[in-house]
Amino acid sequence: DIQMTQSPSSLSASVGDRVTITCRASQSVANCLNWYQQKPGEAPKLLIYAASSFQSGVPSRFSGSGYGTDFTLTISSLQPEDFATYYCQQSYRTPPTFGQGTNLEIK
Amino acid sequence: EVQLLESGGGLVQPGGSLRLSCIASGFTSSTYTMTWVRQAPGKGLDWVSTSDYSGGTYYADSVKGRFTISRDNAKNTLYLQMNSLRAEDTAIYYCARGRGCSGGTCYFDYWGQGNMVTVSS
Repeated sequence: DIQMTQSPSSLSASVGDRVTITCRASQSVANCLNWYQQKPGEAPKLLIYAASSFQSGVPSRFSGSGYGTDFTLTISSLQPEDFATYYCQQSYRTPPTFGQGTNLEIK
Repeated sequence: EVQLLESGGGLVQPGGSLRLSCIASGFTSSTYTMTWVRQAPGKGLDWVSTSDYSGGTYYADSVKGRFTISRDNAKNTLYLQMNSLRAEDTAIYYCARGRGCSGGTCYFDYWGQGNMVTVSS
C-alpha cells in the first residue's frame, strides 16, 4: 500500500495567516492527490483533486500543488471557518490511502 | 442536489452482523463508483470497500472475507453487509461517490453524513 504522511500533524494559526500543509507519498502517485477538509461532527468535504484542481464552490484562498511524491495545500488567508482537520488522499493505486490528518487550530 | 443518506448502524456484539444502506439522490448511482470509508473515534479516515460501476468490487485487507459490498440499482442504494464484527470495526461509516476512478481507487466528491457502528459486549 502507498503510505501518505502529512506534516505537521497539528498547527496553530491566526485569522489572516498564510498556512501550508505538506503531504508526502511513499512512492510516486503522479498527480493523483486529493485534499479534504473535515469539521467536528461532519463528513469530509473535497477541496482539491488531481493535486491542483478546485472542487466546485471551494474558495479561491485554497490552492494545491505538487507532483510525484511531494504535495502542498496552501490557505492564503485563514478565515474562521477554515479551522478544521485536513486530509490528503492518493487515488493512484488501490487501496486508496489517506494521510493521518493535520489539525488546524486557532492560535 | 446530490445527497447520500446512510442508515443501519447501531450497537452489535462481537461476532454479530449489521447491514448498512446508503440511498443516493440527485444522481443515478449505477453509473458511478461508490465507496465506503470509515473513521474510528478520534482517528483518521480508512477506506473499506468500493463497488465500481461495471460490477467490480474491492476490499481492504482488514475486512476481506467478512464484509460484502453490493448495490440495488433500482433503488439507487449501496449496501455494506458486515459479518463477524470485531471491536476494531467500531467507527463512523461514510458512503461516498467516486470520481476520476481507476480500478478500485478514486477521489470522493460527495459524502453521506455518516452512520455509527459500535461493536461491544
